[in-house]
Amino acid sequence: DAGVTQSPTHLIKTRGQQVTLRCSPKSGHDTVSWYQQALGQGPQFIFQYYEEEERQRGNFPDRFSGHQFPNYSSELNVNALLLGDSALYLCASSLDSRSAEAFFGQGTRLTVV
Amino acid sequence: QKEVEQDPGPLSVPEGAIVSLNCTYSNSAFQYFMWYRQYSRKGPELLMYTYSSGNKEDGRFTAQVDKSSKYISLFIRDSQPSDSATYLCAMSAGNYGQNFVFGPGTRLSVLP
Repeated sequence: DAGVTQSPTHLIKTRGQQVTLRCSPKSGHDTVSWYQQALGQGPQFIFQYYEEEERQRGNFPDRFSGHQFPNYSSELNVNALLLGDSALYLCASSLDSRSAEAFFGQGTRLTVV
Repeated sequence: QKEVEQDPGPLSVPEGAIVSLNCTYSNSAFQYFMWYRQYSRKGPELLMYTYSSGNKEDGRFTAQVDKSSKYISLFIRDSQPSDSATYLCAMSAGNYGQNFVFGPGTRLSVLP
């Protein structure tokens, strides 16, 4: 079992650019959630996808958007990047949208310069 | 007041010690309580989760939840240098489309 995989592992972007991060969930999982983790902080919930729909959203602006594909993989898109968007972006997958067992990938470290 | 509070540490203990990690929370709707371990530059790894109040044991780890006090704990027995990591508590209300609310994490060092 490959677990949750994320790509790329590291990324450097310039202010104002757009970025797309990718996530493949653990085998058998159909729910994907995205989190942002700033340095020295706990992860913050961005949104959750289930059955290709955004089911719940945290306190993040519309610049953050996502998508889930029929194979349950997911993308996180961030437009008009700000310096403050620099963080570790984590993807978590679970068996269903109410499960307390969520498994995280290794994350994508995004640096905005 | 933040929804979930956790002492950031760092906490240093000698190998073999019993470690106690704690979180407090303010949202009485939380029903699920999780503990994650995060090594440097890695994603969080699920250690344990509990539903509602009570204790749960898994090997060297014991999780306790006291909903009346809005207080949760993780105990690590016979701590090892490989336990050195940041420990994150997380909570959710268990609703459809639930999100996890994390504490800031406690950095633990177990010294050989």
